[in-house]
Amino acid sequence: NAGVMQNPRHLVRRRGQEARLRCSPMKGHSHVYWYRQLPEEGLKFMVYLQKENIIDESGMPKERFSAEFPKEGPSILRIQQVVRGDSAAYFCASSPPRTSGGELFFGEGSRLTVL
Amino acid sequence: GDSVTQMEGPVTLSEEAFLTINCTYTATGYPSLFWYVQYPGEGLQLLLKATKADDKGSNKGFEATYRKETTSFHLEKGSVQVSDSAVYFCALSDGGGSNYKLTFGKGTLLTVNP
Repeated sequence: NAGVMQNPRHLVRRRGQEARLRCSPMKGHSHVYWYRQLPEEGLKFMVYLQKENIIDESGMPKERFSAEFPKEGPSILRIQQVVRGDSAAYFCASSPPRTSGGELFFGEGSRLTVL
Repeated sequence: GDSVTQMEGPVTLSEEAFLTINCTYTATGYPSLFWYVQYPGEGLQLLLKATKADDKGSNKGFEATYRKETTSFHLEKGSVQVSDSAVYFCALSDGGGSNYKLTFGKGTLLTVNP
């Protein structure tokens, strides 16, 4: 019973490069969420997606960040022209179509380090 | 805005010791409250939750009671085991339509020694 799968687990990028983080939700889950945990902080909501739709991106930085969840394949969080402040753990979560409030299923996280 | 403050870690206990991890929150309205746990090498998973004042969430010997008067949701376990070693996160959702928008504390690392 595979859980939420994220890859890569660790990613190192130099300033100005692009980072792509992938997330495959649990089987039967059609809703995906991305959270970010900056050093010394709690996880913070970034974006909520359903297949081919962005439902709520109120937590996404206005520039350089984008997310998608295509009809086929994993959800992708893309960060263009990374800066040191993007270094963080990025967590993906999923839920079934009708979730009991707040019960999200999280992956292990992808840790991005920007040199 | 909403916020969650939880006990700074790390916490180190011996097996069978009593555990308390404090959590207080600030929120408008009537939030739902959660404890999530992340075991080594795994993703966060829901441990327990409470959706209204005076509710007690419980699971795997852990308990937490939703205290509106003190805005707290402290996690307790009477006798910890080595297998309880993990990072524990307190969280809230606003209880409205955006119940997927969880606000998390920073997490508390618990290590239980045999």
